[in-house]
Amino acid sequence: AQSVTQPDIHITVSEGASLELRCNYSYGATPYLFWYVQSPGQGLQLLLKYFSGDTLVQGIKGFEAEFKRSQSSFNLRKPSVHWSDAAEYFCAVVTTGTASKLTFGTGTRLQVTL
Amino acid sequence: EAGVAQSPRYKIIEKRQSVAFWCNPISGHATLYWYQQILGQGPKLLIQFQNNGVVDDSQLPKDRFSAERLKGVDSTLKIQPAKLEDSAVYLCASSFFSGSATDTQYFGPGTRLTVL
Repeated sequence: AQSVTQPDIHITVSEGASLELRCNYSYGATPYLFWYVQSPGQGLQLLLKYFSGDTLVQGIKGFEAEFKRSQSSFNLRKPSVHWSDAAEYFCAVVTTGTASKLTFGTGTRLQVTL
Repeated sequence: EAGVAQSPRYKIIEKRQSVAFWCNPISGHATLYWYQQILGQGPKLLIQFQNNGVVDDSQLPKDRFSAERLKGVDSTLKIQPAKLEDSAVYLCASSFFSGSATDTQYFGPGTRLTVL
């Protein structure tokens, strides 16, 4: 079955530093991949998604992600982190079958120090 | 544009009691999803509706969980009787187009359930 793995449970970065959150997927064909952010007390918000085409995807809030088939990865990046970026980040993949559904990773909690 | 609305935001119950959660999707969104998010895990799909029909309920514990979407708009998720392991955040989401998971899903703030 299709799945995603987020190997980092918790990451701490300083404000202004660059950020990379890792996501590895397991899928035989080209996957449909997503990154969501969940701030405390908030619902999930879509940052970006990849279906096909250009492997570098731009999202909201200055985030981008790069699809690398050779590494089965879809890592999320931001060149300069702001304190307001502190949140939980989820990678997700569409699993296809009788009814396509979204399968989430376990999440990475980002802490930003001032 | 109003987002996905959920109520209540918090609920505390004793085990074996029943509880219900309500969701109002974004206007015009044909597809509605209920997810369960246990602490430290990613959301897990419980049930997916297309209008008022069920598309996928394969991960819904049907012995205690039920859901309905009357008239293809609002939806209610019920747990009866609740168990300790049902403590989680219950998220509702909706999407506009065909119901394919590649459509963007918009999430509500969730209902945090604590079962004592």
